[in-house]
Amino acid sequence: EAGVTQFPSHSVIEKGQTVTLRCDPISGHDNLYWYRRVMGKEIKFLLHFVKESKQDESGMPNNRFLAERTGGTYSTLKVQPAELEDSGVYFCASSPVQKIYEQYFGPGTRLTVT
Amino acid sequence: QKEVEQNSGPLSVPEGAIASLNCTYSDRGSQSFFWYRQYSGKSPELIMFIYSNGDKEDGRFTAQLNKASQYVSLLIRDSQPSDSATYLCAVNPTGNQFYFGTGTSLTVIP
Repeated sequence: EAGVTQFPSHSVIEKGQTVTLRCDPISGHDNLYWYRRVMGKEIKFLLHFVKESKQDESGMPNNRFLAERTGGTYSTLKVQPAELEDSGVYFCASSPVQKIYEQYFGPGTRLTVT
Repeated sequence: QKEVEQNSGPLSVPEGAIASLNCTYSDRGSQSFFWYRQYSGKSPELIMFIYSNGDKEDGRFTAQLNKASQYVSLLIRDSQPSDSATYLCAVNPTGNQFYFGTGTSLTVIP
């Protein structure tokens, strides 16, 4: 069974540019989460999808961040326009309906905004 | 005050010893508690979860939960060099949000 995959693994962009991160959850996992880890800080929750619906987006920092999960499969997280403080590692995780708390993490996307 | 507090370490133990990792949390209503292991440059991997007060054992790992003291720990028996990693404590208070600690770095010395 393939794990959670994320693309790209690294992204370096300039302040003001736009970046889109992609997450492909484990097949059949209805729950999809986005997290962010800023250097030296803890992993922080951003939002949670159940299928294509946003269940909880209370962790999204501001309206420069937009997450979508059209069709309930893969998800994208767009940052527009990027700011320096958006740098960090963005993790995606998924879990099945039956074991909602057993999250499987992807390898993360390291975003650097210069 | 942070939601979840962990000693960042580093914690060093000799091979074969017991490694003890600790975590405290602030939300007294928290219901679910998790331990993740993260190797350098890799993604967090769930190794244990516990919902009830007391101990839960899985192989060489034991999770301990004390809700009255808002304290959760992870014991690793017969530590191996392959256990060297950062261990993240995570707490689910209510709903679907998870709060993570900053992690404790563990080194098992051969």
